[in-house]
Amino acid sequence: DIQMTQSPSSLSASVGDRVTITCRASQGISNYLAWYQQKPGKVPKLLIYAASTLQSGVPSRFSGSGSGTDFTLTISSLQPEDVATYYCQKYNSALLTFGGGTKVEIK
Amino acid sequence: QVQLVQSGAEVKKPGSSVKVSCKASGGTFSSYAISWVRQAPGQGLEWMGRIIPILGIANYAQKFQGRVTITADKSTSTAYMELSSLRSEDTAVYYCARGTQLVPSSYWGQGTLVTVSS
Repeated sequence: DIQMTQSPSSLSASVGDRVTITCRASQGISNYLAWYQQKPGKVPKLLIYAASTLQSGVPSRFSGSGSGTDFTLTISSLQPEDVATYYCQKYNSALLTFGGGTKVEIK
Repeated sequence: QVQLVQSGAEVKKPGSSVKVSCKASGGTFSSYAISWVRQAPGQGLEWMGRIIPILGIANYAQKFQGRVTITADKSTSTAYMELSSLRSEDTAVYYCARGTQLVPSSYWGQGTLVTVSS
């Protein structure tokens, strides 16, 4: 099975900072990579699919990039409402797998 | 609009089974994939498996093979996830989510808490 590894597992940044989260697949998955945001006590929300396509309604400060095995989620200017845990998920086959998550906090 | 409504919380004994339902409204039920994802307290998201109702084919994460069964009833637009041989480590919130080949899990159910306790 393909493993998905996220880093860092947590980070603390100031409002307005640029934040980058990485996700690495153990094998190539083309661009079949999604990012989700889960706020405390809430249902996960799809942010990005196909590695870089923003889901409707998601603020433009979120962006995704990458292909193959290495992917990034970037928040261009961190806002207080972005406090959440972020997960990547691969979906290039019938077996979907999540990364371990990255918890983002405000410094 | 698309809605996924899950069944209510369950408390189960170790060794028993639980069956959680996920009723979909809006859109064409059979054409989409329904995934099941669980989240243990304080832990991350864990994909368990999925079904594409129009194909009637389910795929499962290796970890749950033999213990989970995902089914779908097209007549009622409802998907089910049954987990057997429950143990305390299965205590978690279980979510269903709808997606496609190109856009995974864009809609989620509200979650169902399953507590396994003697």
